Amino acid sequence: DTGVSQDPRHKITKRGQNVTFRCDPISEHNRLYWYRQTLGQGPEFLTYFQNEAQLEKSRLLSDRFSAERPKGSFSTLEIQRTEQGDSAMYLCASSRVAAPYEQYFGPGTRLTVT
Amino acid sequence: QKEVEQDPGPLSVPEGAIVSLNCTYSNSAFQYFMWYRQYSRKGPELLMYTYSSGNKEDGRFTAQVDKSSKYISLFIRDSQPSDSATYLCASMNRDDKIIFGKGTRLHILP
Repeated sequence: DTGVSQDPRHKITKRGQNVTFRCDPISEHNRLYWYRQTLGQGPEFLTYFQNEAQLEKSRLLSDRFSAERPKGSFSTLEIQRTEQGDSAMYLCASSRVAAPYEQYFGPGTRLTVT
Repeated sequence: QKEVEQDPGPLSVPEGAIVSLNCTYSNSAFQYFMWYRQYSRKGPELLMYTYSSGNKEDGRFTAQVDKSSKYISLFIRDSQPSDSATYLCASMNRDDKIIFGKGTRLHILP
């Protein structure tokens, strides 16, 4: 297993465009998490899935953000009508249900909104 | 007040020295405490996790939690230039959400 992967690694988009990111977790992990990290800050929780079910969403996750994990494997995070404030690193992590404290992160997708 | 507080540094120490990194937290419900290492423009890498109070050692790294004072520490022995990175402390309570500190930038000087 090569760990958590994310695609794309970098995305530059113009304000108002929609973007979608993909995350492939470690194969035996049922839990999948999305975080956002801005410069000089630690990652901030956005949402997480257990299998296909989205169990929690942060207040940070505005209506323009939507996440899915349709088959309980990979997940997508979509941002509609991007704003400059959305520029950040979007991180995905996965864990076993029994060990949520043991989350393994992917390399992240760096989003720049111009 | 943020739930997990961490001095952002930077912290510069000579190669071979013992490094001490510290955090405080405010939520008494936190049960798990983690340390992550993050290199520039990379995702965080889990170094260690600890449940409740106590010490845990893994090679050159020792994590320490004192729940009575809400203090979390990471010690790195025989520091190497490759240890230069940002170190993130984190905590988790029963809701399974990890709360991160801002991270401390560490520079090991050859």
